[in-house]
Amino acid sequence: EAGVTQSPRYAVLQEGQAVSFWCDPISGHDTLYWYQQPRDQGPQLLVYFRDEAVIDNSQLPSDRFSAVRPKGTNSTLKIQSAKQGDTATYLCASSLAGYEQYFGPGTRLTVL
Amino acid sequence: QEKVQQSPESLIVPEGAMSSLNCTFSNSASQSIWWYQQHPGKGPEALISIFSNGNKKEGRLTVYLNRASLHVSLHIRDSQPSDSAVYLCASRSSGSWQLIFGSGTQLTVMP
Repeated sequence: EAGVTQSPRYAVLQEGQAVSFWCDPISGHDTLYWYQQPRDQGPQLLVYFRDEAVIDNSQLPSDRFSAVRPKGTNSTLKIQSAKQGDTATYLCASSLAGYEQYFGPGTRLTVL
Repeated sequence: QEKVQQSPESLIVPEGAMSSLNCTFSNSASQSIWWYQQHPGKGPEALISIFSNGNKKEGRLTVYLNRASLHVSLHIRDSQPSDSAVYLCASRSSGSWQLIFGSGTQLTVMP
């Protein structure tokens, strides 16, 4: 069974540029999570969905970050105007309801 | 806000030794504690979880949970160089599916 896939694997931007990250969860998993992992820190939740509905986006910087999961399957996380402080790895995870979360390999973002 | 703290930040052990990692969490209502392993350039991978006070053993891994002291530990018996990785402790509260992660312990097993 295929795991969680993410693309791109790497992105390098100048401040002010926009970037989108794409995630394909494990087939049949109804819950999808986006985490931000700064270097040498643990993952921090940004937003999570159950099917197409946002369950919690309280930690998503709403002025520049947005996330959608329109059909309850794939998801896109977008940063509208990147800042140097956004430099981190962005991880997508999926689960069946609240059970074990399976993580993708992440997208490593560098903002210059 | 709920916090998870891990110690030590890094741990170096010889091959064949026991590795012991610690984690404290701030929410006594935490429903479950998870340990994840993360290799460089990879996403975290779940190793073991515990829901009830006491201990749980799976293969070379043993986890101990003490809710009264808000402490959980992970012990890896007969550590191997392939066990070298970052180990992340995460807490999940009842009523939420969010995992709160600690900053991790870098384990290095020397051949």
